[in-house]
Amino acid sequence: DAEITQSPRHKITETGRQVTLACHQTWNHNNMFWYRQDLGHGLRLIHYSYGVQDTNKGEVSDGYSVSRSNTEDLPLTLESAASSQTSVYFCASSPSGGPPHTQYFGPGTRLTVL
Amino acid sequence: RKEVEQDPGPFNVPEGATVAFNCTYSNSASQSFFWYRQDCRKEPKLLMSVYSSGNEDGRFTAQLNRASQYISLLIRDSKLSDSATYLCVVTGGTGGFKTIFGAGTRLFVKA
Repeated sequence: DAEITQSPRHKITETGRQVTLACHQTWNHNNMFWYRQDLGHGLRLIHYSYGVQDTNKGEVSDGYSVSRSNTEDLPLTLESAASSQTSVYFCASSPSGGPPHTQYFGPGTRLTVL
Repeated sequence: RKEVEQDPGPFNVPEGATVAFNCTYSNSASQSFFWYRQDCRKEPKLLMSVYSSGNEDGRFTAQLNRASQYISLLIRDSKLSDSATYLCVVTGGTGGFKTIFGAGTRLFVKA
């Protein structure tokens, strides 16, 4: 069955380290998204991609980067981790063309920055 | 003011009760509306889309009021398994692609 996976599921790192969170989907969806979820804020969009070689900044993109070299993967990199980036990170994907913006989420990565 | 606002709850209701959640949005140009369900420590999952004419899926009914800029979710005959956080999602509008999630409303259904 097609699915969307994230790895690692849990990560503890130190301030200043570079961290990469993986997201892989087998639905062949063109659209992929990264969100963070914090208490009281709901899900906030970090970066998104409409296809290979396409990346766009979301609402809270500072300190994060993504690259899209193939359809299946959208890794999220924290260039220099900060304690404010402790959060739960969700990757999502959706097909082009609809139903409008129905997104399918991965299981999440819980990141702690000490 | 947040672009999408929900009452965080929690709503504590007995089994069999009817419960309703509202969600307001600020961008009048918003185009698509959804309710997602999120269980504790799990990923959000689409519950239902919301259409202008209103739509029903079993015990769940969603309504959209564009004039007042709010959407609602009604759950009838609540089950223990309905306990979750319900996220209001609004997409589209001026400036191109934009998906905004509300912070969610927590529901606890008690036996």
